[in-house]
Amino acid sequence: DIQLTQSPSSLSASVGDRVTITCRAGQNIYTSLNWYQQKPGKAPKLLIYAASTLHSGLPSRFSGSGSGTDFTLTISSLQPEDFATYYCQQGYSSPRTFGPGTKVDIK
Amino acid sequence: EVRLVESGGGLIQPGGSLRLSCAASGFAVSSSYMTWVRQAPGKGLEWVSVIYSGGRTYYADSVRGRFTISRDMSNNTIYLQMNSLRADDTAMYYCARDNFGEFDYWGQGTLVIVS
Repeated sequence: DIQLTQSPSSLSASVGDRVTITCRAGQNIYTSLNWYQQKPGKAPKLLIYAASTLHSGLPSRFSGSGSGTDFTLTISSLQPEDFATYYCQQGYSSPRTFGPGTKVDIK
Repeated sequence: EVRLVESGGGLIQPGGSLRLSCAASGFAVSSSYMTWVRQAPGKGLEWVSVIYSGGRTYYADSVRGRFTISRDMSNNTIYLQMNSLRADDTAMYYCARDNFGEFDYWGQGTLVIVS
């Protein structure tokens, strides 16, 4: 199974801050890396797929980059509705695996 | 509009069985990869099982031999039959469409409590 690690595990930020979350895969997964946002009591929502493609209808302040084993999710200007937990997930092989999550809360 | 609606969760004693359902609309489950993902209280996301469009199925090691994924194309629904339930199966269970590696649509989840 492909292991994913995320850093940091949590962070505190203010509205308007630029936030960066990293995800590292245990082997080369090319660009088969996806990002999800989950708010308390809600299902996860797809944000970014194929490392850098924004899912339809989502604001452009979310962006993704990376390939191989190292990936980044960036929120360019944090908004109140962005406080949530973010997960990366590899779609390169089965079983699909998720990172442990990064919780973004209000400073 | 794509929609997934899970049902069938509840409180069950250890060793018991439960069948979860996921009713899809807006697309055909027969031509999609359909997945179950679970989340234990306060924990992260764990992939559980997938059924491919061709019918092949795969399971996480933690549920293999106890859980069975299936589909009913006439009802456009997928199922997760869960047997020999254990306390560590307690979780919110989500179904999702696996669109070439990314889970692009999710249901709202159904809660299973084994106690």
